[in-house]
Amino acid sequence: DGGITQSPKYLFRKEGQNVTLSCEQNLNHDAMYWYRQDPGQGLRLIYYSQIVNDFQKGDIAEGYSVSREKKESFPLTVTSAQKNPTAFYLCASSSRQGEYGYTFGSGTRLTVV
Amino acid sequence: QQQVKQSPQSLIVQKGGISIINCAYENTAFDYFPWYQQFPGKGPALLIAIRPDVSEKKEGRFTISFNKSAKQFSLHIMDSQPGDSATYFCAAPPGVSSGSARQLTFGSGTQLTVLP
Repeated sequence: DGGITQSPKYLFRKEGQNVTLSCEQNLNHDAMYWYRQDPGQGLRLIYYSQIVNDFQKGDIAEGYSVSREKKESFPLTVTSAQKNPTAFYLCASSSRQGEYGYTFGSGTRLTVV
Repeated sequence: QQQVKQSPQSLIVQKGGISIINCAYENTAFDYFPWYQQFPGKGPALLIAIRPDVSEKKEGRFTISFNKSAKQFSLHIMDSQPGDSATYFCAAPPGVSSGSARQLTFGSGTQLTVLP
């Protein structure tokens, strides 16, 4: 079945540590996105990528980095510069055609310990 | 940059009742306006989407009403069921001038509880 796989489901980060969240899709979608979800604040865009080897900052990119070396993969690194990283992180992809907008992964819950 | 305001933040409805969630957006846009449903610990799933040149779209118990002149759209859930209890997000595509393709801006979400 086509879809988006995010891993791990739960991740714990120590202070000052960088961590990387994985996102893989087999939908042949060109565009991929990372959103952060906090209670009561909806989804906020961190980074997005329209094609391989190209990505753009979203509304809250500070403290995060991404890469897009393959069409299927869009990993997100939460760096030590991100002061409040505890959140639910969602990866999504989209096609340029049709009404279906985004397909989301099942998310990664990151907690600072 | 697109802006979206969603209300109410939370909603409690009796089984069989009608749930109504409202959204307002700022910048004119020409791509689809989707609604997503999210259960705890899961990613959002597309529920229904509407083109801005259509005033209403119905799929089963779910209806989107779209008012382009007022820049408002709403989700109506008819005959609400306990299984509909979830968080609902509206989203708007970029305005004409953004140059971005399908970079959605989401509302803050509505937590719906349907009582049995």
